Amino acid sequence: AQSVSQHNHHVILSEAASLELGCNYSYGGTVNLFWYVQYPGQHLQLLLKYFSGDPLVKGIKGFEAEFIKSKFSFNLRKPSVQWSDTAEYFCAVNAGRDDKIIFGKGTRLHILP
Amino acid sequence: KAGVTQTPRYLIKTRGQQVTLSCSPISGHRSVSWYQQTPGQGLQFLFEYFSETQRNKGNFPGRFSGRQFSNSRSEMNVSTLELGDSALYLCASSRHLRQGDTGELFFGEGSRLTVL
Repeated sequence: AQSVSQHNHHVILSEAASLELGCNYSYGGTVNLFWYVQYPGQHLQLLLKYFSGDPLVKGIKGFEAEFIKSKFSFNLRKPSVQWSDTAEYFCAVNAGRDDKIIFGKGTRLHILP
Repeated sequence: KAGVTQTPRYLIKTRGQQVTLSCSPISGHRSVSWYQQTPGQGLQFLFEYFSETQRNKGNFPGRFSGRQFSNSRSEMNVSTLELGDSALYLCASSRHLRQGDTGELFFGEGSRLTVL
């Protein structure tokens, strides 16, 4: 069965620091990959997604993610974080025929002003 | 365009009771998925419906059930509530269903269930 692992459960950074959140999935076939974000008090929303093509995907608010097929990874990056990036980030994968989307356990990101 | 609407937003039940949660998807979306969100466990997939048919089911006991109506609105039911069922239940709708073309999930704000 497909699964998603997010290595960091809680990350604390200062403003302007660089960010990388790890995500690995387990599925050997074609995958669609997503990062969702949940800001405090708000609903989950899509940050970026990868379906095919360029493995470096750019999303909203300066985020990007790189799909490395050989490593089964889809890490999220941002060169310089802001206080407003404080949120919980979820990696998700859709694989196989059944179209269900499986989420990781999430990473809580706290940015110090 | 109205978003995904979930009702009720908050509810408190006691062990052994049952609960029904409702979800109205974005107009034109025919797929509805349900997730359980708890601290430390992230989002766990419950089930997905498309055109009134359950297409996928997660690893939850039979106490958790759902259905979808012809207007794409969906309900989920939890019977014989247990303390561990306390969670935020999220509904998400989407347009795309074909293999390899699954689109973005649009989430509601959730129904927060507390079981005492």
